[in-house]
Amino acid sequence: DTEVTQTPKHLVMGMTNKKSLKCEQHMGHRAMYWYKQKAKKPPELMFVYSYEKLSINESVPSRFSPECPNSSLLNLHLHALQPEDSALYLCASSYREYSNQPQHFGDGTRLSIL
Amino acid sequence: GIQVEQSPPDLILQEGANSTLRCNFSDSVNNLQWFHQNPWGQLINLFYIPSGTKQNGRLSATTVATERYSLLYISSSQTTDSGVYFCAVEPNDMRFGAGTRLTVKP
Repeated sequence: DTEVTQTPKHLVMGMTNKKSLKCEQHMGHRAMYWYKQKAKKPPELMFVYSYEKLSINESVPSRFSPECPNSSLLNLHLHALQPEDSALYLCASSYREYSNQPQHFGDGTRLSIL
Repeated sequence: GIQVEQSPPDLILQEGANSTLRCNFSDSVNNLQWFHQNPWGQLINLFYIPSGTKQNGRLSATTVATERYSLLYISSSQTTDSGVYFCAVEPNDMRFGAGTRLTVKP
């Protein structure tokens, strides 16, 4: 079983909907990450949170809004998405950012935009 | 930014065969991980190996940091080994290679 839990596993939404993806870890990690993976492509980094503060935003459109309410929880709020945003969204955590420790990934949320 | 190249891009094996996957990277890294992504999309951490050699059952990995490459060995392959193998490196933040798509036929 993965130590990083993502919910929901699947999400279908219309372009006008608002939804949120959730990621949780209880390993005491203080760095958390969102990645986006399109079909037949590698994961690409979207956001990095370090000690609950946004550390990196890889020029992600504002229709994706991350939130880190506490050290165990990471959310990704979605609003007015486009069909090209359909992808697998992966969350990961590590001990610290730049800590020379491995990243642990969740099983992902498969998102489809109608 | 750092370049990560994996080879071969595709590999088809008969069950029981051995294989070697390669990952070349263009700059010094603090972190190197090998992942297996299964057909359901789960990204499974195989090795954290910024340098040296590690073994886990039928799998082993070697990273030669000074020469900027890593190798993943799969011995006695099984159909459940099928999927995509990613190398990911972290000079600052995690960058993935394009992956090697492995198909093991019974």
